[in-house]
Amino acid sequence: DVKVTQSSRYLVKRTGEKVFLECVQDMDHENMFWYRQDPGLGLRLIYFSYDVKMKEKGDIPEGYSVSREKKERFSLILESASTNQTSMYLCASRPLKTGPGLAGTYNEQFFGPGTRLTVL
Amino acid sequence: QKEVEQNSGPLSVPEGAIASLNCTYSDRGSQSFFWYRQYSGKSPELIMFIYSNGDKEDGRFTAQLNKASQYVSLLIRDSQPSDSATYLCAAGTGGFKTIFGAGTRLFVKA
Repeated sequence: DVKVTQSSRYLVKRTGEKVFLECVQDMDHENMFWYRQDPGLGLRLIYFSYDVKMKEKGDIPEGYSVSREKKERFSLILESASTNQTSMYLCASRPLKTGPGLAGTYNEQFFGPGTRLTVL
Repeated sequence: QKEVEQNSGPLSVPEGAIASLNCTYSDRGSQSFFWYRQYSGKSPELIMFIYSNGDKEDGRFTAQLNKASQYVSLLIRDSQPSDSATYLCAAGTGGFKTIFGAGTRLFVKA
């Protein structure tokens, strides 16, 4: 069974604090993703990493950075937390199996349990 | 902007009925499509994926894809109260990104 774990289920931080959210997967997946999920807006991609030390901006990267020093670990950093970053944060991983079309296209993402972050 | 659109619901069906969930996508280059179920307070879990036109059945679930109409649907037969959840439609747009819809809330009445 694929297991994706996140460092905290609930987190409360103050405005201006630096926040680290950690994600670890145990299935040797190449791709890892960070999303935030807000009511009515669905899942929005913040950053993704297609391999170790590789990262790409998603749709809403402002105010965030990421780090992927090891294949199994993908960290999301809020440089200076703000109240509009209060949200559910979901990490996901995906294997890079090849198939018809572009690599990785057909593969499902496996999600961690999520971290509900509140910034006061 | 590539989009996946879903009716937010709630869709309410009686126990034992067929629940029909629909989704449209904007990017004609999308090659793979996923249905995730998300219970309240939990993370999404995959229930179906489809990448060829037509129907794909798995137990009580049937996914339907019509690329010409850019339309994906999920049918749940013999709906159970345990099927009550939010269902997310997602499209693999090529490369590494997957675009998620905002989800449809399904409520199955006992």
